Amino acid sequence: GAGVSQSPSNKVTEKGKDVELRCDPISGHTALYWYRQSLGQGLEFLIYFQGNSAPDKSGLPSDRFSAERTGGSVSTLTIQRTQQEDSAVYLCASSLTGQTYNEQFFGPGTRLTVL
Amino acid sequence: AQKVTQAQTEISVVEKEDVTLDCVYETRDTTYYLFWYKQPPSGELVFLIRRNSFDEQNEISGRYSWNFQKSTSSFNFTITASQVVDSAVYFCALSNAGGTSYGKLTFGQGTILTVHP
Repeated sequence: GAGVSQSPSNKVTEKGKDVELRCDPISGHTALYWYRQSLGQGLEFLIYFQGNSAPDKSGLPSDRFSAERTGGSVSTLTIQRTQQEDSAVYLCASSLTGQTYNEQFFGPGTRLTVL
Repeated sequence: AQKVTQAQTEISVVEKEDVTLDCVYETRDTTYYLFWYKQPPSGELVFLIRRNSFDEQNEISGRYSWNFQKSTSSFNFTITASQVVDSAVYFCALSNAGGTSYGKLTFGQGTILTVHP
């Protein structure tokens, strides 16, 4: 597709379960970002990938959160032992390179609800 | 540390009114970029504009205009003759250009704009 895609669009899970969220960036974009949008915290940066490496993981809120990127393309954000405070919309964005001036293209997000 | 403040949580206007969305930022860096994004009800963030810290020229694009003032650390966004389709959440964001910033965006809290017919 032409844009960034994310799956699933909605995920409802029970507290304590693990979840995986997927992001397919725009083809050829080397930079990939994960953000989280929640009512209390607004839009927060989670992690940045350049190729398959993650030089900036500073936004991951706890060690229950991890992410990987393979083939310089698809990325998966994994949340282990989910908590209710993890409920949020998780947004993925990609850009041509990791340069600041590059526009970031956002996906539609995955809405995660932890019961 | 950097911070973006959008003091207006919600704005409600009637169609054809002009509306200005405020954005104030804080950063210690001398080189940075400012952005505005629109988030319509569908949820997907849409890029509107990028401005670098060395370019204080105002910009106009159709009904949209942006006023960047470094002296007051503000980057305000005006919609002229608003339309119902402008209803959305608007985010101002900042990215530092130096060092290992990697283009990471720091967002304001967003302003919910509702345009009534």
